Amino acid sequence: QVQLVESGGGVVQPGGSLRLSCEASGFTFSGYAMHWVRQAPGKGLEWVTFIWYDGGNKYYADSMRGRVAISKDNSKTMLYLQMSRLRVEDTAVYYCGRGIGAGNSPIDHWGQGTLVTVSS
Amino acid sequence: QTVVTQEPSFSVSPGGTVTLTCALRSGSVSPSHYPSWYRQTPGQAPRTLIYNTNTRSFGVPDRFSGSVLGNKAALTITGAQADDESDYYCVLYVGSGIWVFGGGTRLTVL
Repeated sequence: QVQLVESGGGVVQPGGSLRLSCEASGFTFSGYAMHWVRQAPGKGLEWVTFIWYDGGNKYYADSMRGRVAISKDNSKTMLYLQMSRLRVEDTAVYYCGRGIGAGNSPIDHWGQGTLVTVSS
Repeated sequence: QTVVTQEPSFSVSPGGTVTLTCALRSGSVSPSHYPSWYRQTPGQAPRTLIYNTNTRSFGVPDRFSGSVLGNKAALTITGAQADDESDYYCVLYVGSGIWVFGGGTRLTVL
């Protein structure tokens, strides 16, 4: 079955950097697009970024564009989110999600999330 | 900036039917927005209910159905059960690779 396991969350100071990972299993990772979605404490879901199956196309929400970079290592079945210049308002649970297809497609499977806390 | 709106809250009686909607503040929702619906209970990861307007995700009972009604996407729940009490989110593809979630609807079953 499809499994997505996020890791890499933790406490980081404002202005700091962090790399989140999402380990995928149970499906042909190289054939699917992947998303990152976040949820601040007590708030709704916010789409962050999306990458095509082959890593060739990447898209970002305005709120994080320029401060995050999504990447996909199909040989390791890993998805990454490199975050920099973090702000207090980036505190959230970050979820990875599998798209239903190779290109533009909504999420059908979700990981359990990893908590990022930005605080001094 | 594209804004996607949902009812902040809704209530339904056990066994009843409820339709939640998902709208664009400017414009109409169509299947080309790939409207999709997710459910989330506190402390848990979201779960996919419906994608691409009306396709149920694996294991989702047919009490849940999606559609486009007028200029909005809609999620209809029939035969509401106590454990349907959750937050429901829609997401729309708004072009140029960008996806936008609605603010969510808190559904109460009482």
